[in-house]
Amino acid sequence: QQPVQSPQAVILREGEDAVINCSSSKALYSVHWYRQKHGEAPVFLMILLKGGEQKGHDKISASFNEKKQQSSLYLTASQLSYSGTYFCGTEIGGSQGNLIFGKGTKLSVKP
Amino acid sequence: DSGVTQTPKHLITATGQRVTLRCSPRSGDLSVYWYQQSLDQGLQFLIQYYNGEERAKGNILERFSAQQFPDLHSELNLSSLELGDSALYFCASSLAGGPTGELFFGEGSRLTVL
Repeated sequence: QQPVQSPQAVILREGEDAVINCSSSKALYSVHWYRQKHGEAPVFLMILLKGGEQKGHDKISASFNEKKQQSSLYLTASQLSYSGTYFCGTEIGGSQGNLIFGKGTKLSVKP
Repeated sequence: DSGVTQTPKHLITATGQRVTLRCSPRSGDLSVYWYQQSLDQGLQFLIQYYNGEERAKGNILERFSAQQFPDLHSELNLSSLELGDSALYFCASSLAGGPTGELFFGEGSRLTVL
């Protein structure tokens, strides 16, 4: 049931864009995105609910395609502060309370 | 500061021992979640409590147990510890009974089993 994230790691230069994908084999009720910096706790970025709703956070946005059971996180004009590991969390429809995270995508932004 | 407090921050113990990790959720939050984070597995969901009752269960071993007390703090008990239990254990809290909103994570308890 664990969602699959790709890529596992990505290295960017400041100002470059990146896309992180999250897919599930199960029908999804919602998708959650978190960022964890090294040695710190995960921090919430956004939630996407079924219905194709797209939400943004500064220059970070995401989409959710419930038919394909996929979500993508878009990082535009990356900044050094974007470095960290990004986790998508999926809530399987009907299993309220059970948020399953993928293994994470490590993003490194270089100057 | 997320408002979620976890103690202890670091714990070193031996195989076969038992430890208790404690979590105080944000003021007003009714749900507490426990996650285990190891290098190769990401964030593994263990268990969730909502207002004192178990709400959802994940990949929690039988050697592990948890509870949420009337004051809403939660404890995760790990017994008969093995080397593979070494990990960072996160507690998170939220207001609602399901993850329909933001989860606030504590700073974690790093457990090392020698």
